[in-house]
Amino acid sequence: QVTLRESGPALVKPTQTLTLTCTLSGFSLTTTGMCVSWVRQPPGKALEWLALIDWDDDKFYSTSLRTRLTISKDTSKNQVVLTLTNMDPVDTATYFCARDIAATGPVGYYYGMDVWGQGTTVTVSS
Amino acid sequence: DIQMTQSPSSLSASVGDRVTIACRASQSISSYLNWYQQKPGKAPKLLIYAASSLQSGVPSRFSGSGSGTDFTLTISSLQPEDFATYFCQQSYSFPHIFGQGTKLEIK
Repeated sequence: QVTLRESGPALVKPTQTLTLTCTLSGFSLTTTGMCVSWVRQPPGKALEWLALIDWDDDKFYSTSLRTRLTISKDTSKNQVVLTLTNMDPVDTATYFCARDIAATGPVGYYYGMDVWGQGTTVTVSS
Repeated sequence: DIQMTQSPSSLSASVGDRVTIACRASQSISSYLNWYQQKPGKAPKLLIYAASSLQSGVPSRFSGSGSGTDFTLTISSLQPEDFATYFCQQSYSFPHIFGQGTKLEIK
């Protein structure tokens, strides 16, 4: 059974760095085609894609948050870590990690997030 | 970045209705389009990938179509459990941006 679980602080202060961990079970990020993405959702708003890391350790980021985001993986622990620096109240959101599968398409890979964690809510406030 | 625009933003319908939600990309994305369903307080659920492929376990009343810049999600006969918010997402190029969502409500 494939599962993902997010963990991290529920409350951070402005200017601090947020570190979130996604613990994977039932699949490995060393397998070709396996990726993990992070997505966030401010209260009452739309989904925002943040970052993806793939089996080959390639990393991709949101354009608007690129300078603040870092995604990394520890395959020995089956974990993916997302850091977001210089937190601001507008970063208050539920943060999700999801398994993202890359399948060969006519132009590059098709991606799709087929299994999601339950999400972790992060509030930014002093 | 490729921008995704959904219409309508909200929709009221009745059980048994046929419903269509549209998604438009700011440039051609071939068939690199996913649809997700999200219920309040829950994580999104993948319904359709590659524009028209039904994810395993998803009821056949859901279907997707389109290519290039214009896509649709159709629910052939609405069931009570289908009232939710629906998001499209492009996976043609990074970043994999979502549409703003369509909230499907009970009439």
